[in-house]
Amino acid sequence: EVQLVESGGGLVQPGGSLRLSCAASGFTFSSYEMNWVRQAPGKGLEWVSYISSSGSTIYYADSVKGRFTISRDNAKNSLYLQMNSLRAEDTAVYYCARDMTPGSCYFQHWGQGTLVTVSS
Amino acid sequence: EIVLTQSPATLSLSPGERATLSCRASQSVSSYLAWYQQKPGQAPRLLIYDASNRATGIPARFSGSGSGTDFTLTISSLEPEDFAVYYCQQRSNWPPSFGPGTKVDIK
Repeated sequence: EVQLVESGGGLVQPGGSLRLSCAASGFTFSSYEMNWVRQAPGKGLEWVSYISSSGSTIYYADSVKGRFTISRDNAKNSLYLQMNSLRAEDTAVYYCARDMTPGSCYFQHWGQGTLVTVSS
Repeated sequence: EIVLTQSPATLSLSPGERATLSCRASQSVSSYLAWYQQKPGQAPRLLIYDASNRATGIPARFSGSGSGTDFTLTISSLEPEDFAVYYCQQRSNWPPSFGPGTKVDIK
């Protein structure tokens, strides 16, 4: 069974940093692209970042480019999101999401999410 | 960036009724469109991909249609567990984008 478990969320002041982690199990992690998708309280879904299976290709939403860094450790079956220069508008539940099939860009598997709150 | 719009914003129906949800893209996405269901406090669940293919384990009462810029998600007969928010998502052009959602609530 595919499992994705996020951690690392919490309360942080504007301008601060946070590192999210996503532990993957139940599939060959190194074969799949991974994504971060976020959802502000009471709002819709927003794709945040993508990383290829090898980590060689990375994309970001314009709203986080230059502030967030996605990475992965295939030996540890883990995905990360380093978030710097956080703003109030980054407040959201952050989900890691796996493609349905490699390269499909349809998100069939999701974690339970981790809440990031940016507030003074 | 492709913008998706969904209508209506809210759909109030009774169990057993048919639900028809619409998603429109700002430019053609071919058939590269998915539908998700999200219940409060839960992660989204993939229902339909490539406009009309049901994902694994999705009941036959859910169906999708459309291509180009206009898409429809139909729930043939609403079950109590189907009252939720539904999002469309395109993967035709980078970045992938989601619609704002349609809430299906109990009338």
